[in-house]
Amino acid sequence: GAVVSQHPSRVICKSGTSVKIECRSLDFQATTMFWYRQFPKQSLMLMATSNEGSKATYEQGVEKDKFLINHASLTLSTLTVTSAHPEDSSFYICSARGPGQGGYEQYFGPGTRLTVT
Amino acid sequence: AQSVTQPDIHITVSEGASLELRCNYSYGATPYLFWYVQSPGQGLQLLLKYFSGDTLVQGIKGFEAEFKRSQSSFNLRKPSVHWSDAAEYFCAVGEGAPGGGNKLTFGTGTQLKVEL
Repeated sequence: GAVVSQHPSRVICKSGTSVKIECRSLDFQATTMFWYRQFPKQSLMLMATSNEGSKATYEQGVEKDKFLINHASLTLSTLTVTSAHPEDSSFYICSARGPGQGGYEQYFGPGTRLTVT
Repeated sequence: AQSVTQPDIHITVSEGASLELRCNYSYGATPYLFWYVQSPGQGLQLLLKYFSGDTLVQGIKGFEAEFKRSQSSFNLRKPSVHWSDAAEYFCAVGEGAPGGGNKLTFGTGTQLKVEL
């Protein structure tokens, strides 16, 4: 149980366009979802935390107008990278936590590799 | 601010040999410590965690880790490595007691290669 999927697994887009990444909890309801970014040879950096039905909370230094997060249902959160630039190329990972789960309990998706050309 | 250091970027061990992956943390209060494994195409999987109590914690897949407060370390060990253990391993420290709004700070990871 507790499976989280991401779609797409890889995406290439042109500079200036927007791209949407989906994160789904397949067998549980995710009241909280997290979005991370991972650069090569670097650690996962938390970008934002989203709770179903409310606005996401962004970490310091993360542009909320550039990285739009929507957690519209208990099984789906989306991250939209708007007006993407090559420096946005990275590995994006989501994780999800269900109701009744402990504060640190979260299940991770397999990640999405974004390349902006 | 809390931080996590994993000094070894890559480690290669022979199958059947013992393994130790190092992790040092910096955190002013009681640390909540985790080890995750990431295999290609799969999400991070929790191997084990330390919140309190016995400083030697057992995890899944035969892994264990020992919390040493005096050394600010939480090293991961396995007595006999299997080829399927080849993956990337992340150490993480949690911010605050378990509850709402907990966040994780990750290390940069250690890539484990297993030679047959």
